Amino acid sequence: DAMVIQNPRYQVTQFGKPVTLSCSQTLNHNVMYWYQQKSSQAPKLLFHYYDKDFNNEADTPDNFQSRRPNTSFCFLDIRSPGLGDAAMYLCATRPTSGLREVNEQFFGPGTRLTVL
Amino acid sequence: GQNIDQPTEMTATEGAIVQINCTYQTSGFNGLFWYQQHAGEAPTFLSYNVLDGLEEKGRFSSFLSRSKGYSYLLLKELQMKDSASYLCAVLDSNYQLIWGAGTKLIIKP
Repeated sequence: DAMVIQNPRYQVTQFGKPVTLSCSQTLNHNVMYWYQQKSSQAPKLLFHYYDKDFNNEADTPDNFQSRRPNTSFCFLDIRSPGLGDAAMYLCATRPTSGLREVNEQFFGPGTRLTVL
Repeated sequence: GQNIDQPTEMTATEGAIVQINCTYQTSGFNGLFWYQQHAGEAPTFLSYNVLDGLEEKGRFSSFLSRSKGYSYLLLKELQMKDSASYLCAVLDSNYQLIWGAGTKLIIKP
C-alpha cells in the first residue's frame, strides 16, 4: 500500500545531542511537510518542500534544519534539542495533480521525541 | 491574523449525536478539512468541504458556510472508539493548512 512512513516512531535523546528524524513516502507526492505538535495543541508547520524548493516558516527556530535528497525521502535535523522541543513530529505529503486529493495532506504516523 | 476557533472539549453519550463547531478567519480559502486524531497518533482525514452545504459520509457529516466562516462536524450513533480529538483546518491562499487546536470529544457509556 502506498503510504507515508516515519522512523523511528519513538525517539529519546539527551539535551543538546543532535537527532535526525526521517520520513519516506511511496505516494510520489511533490510536496512534503514537517509539523511539530505539542500535547493538546494544533500542529505547527516547520518547513515544507515543493519538489526540491525549500520553504522555511518565519518562526521556525534555527535549531531545526531539513533535507530532501529525493522525492521519496525527507529528514528533520534538530541540532541541539532542548526540553521545549519534546513533541510529536509529523510528516505529511500532498500531490499537486488530481481531483479533490490535490488539497489533502497525507500524514505519517509521527515520531514522538523525548528530550532528557 | 489567521484564526480557527473550536471548543476545547465536549462530552457525549454512546449512541447519541454530537455537533462540533468551527469558525475561521483566514487569508484566502481553498477548502476546510476535518481530521480525527487519537491520543499519540497522527491525524487521519475525515472530510473536505470547499463548497457551501452538507457532505455526508456514513456516520459523519460536515457542513460549510463560507459567507459565515463556519463549519460543523456531525457525528451520529456515537461509539466509544469515536473518543478522540477533532481538528478543523483551513487551506489558505498559499495552500497551507491553518489548524485549530482541536476539540477533545469524550464519549460516555
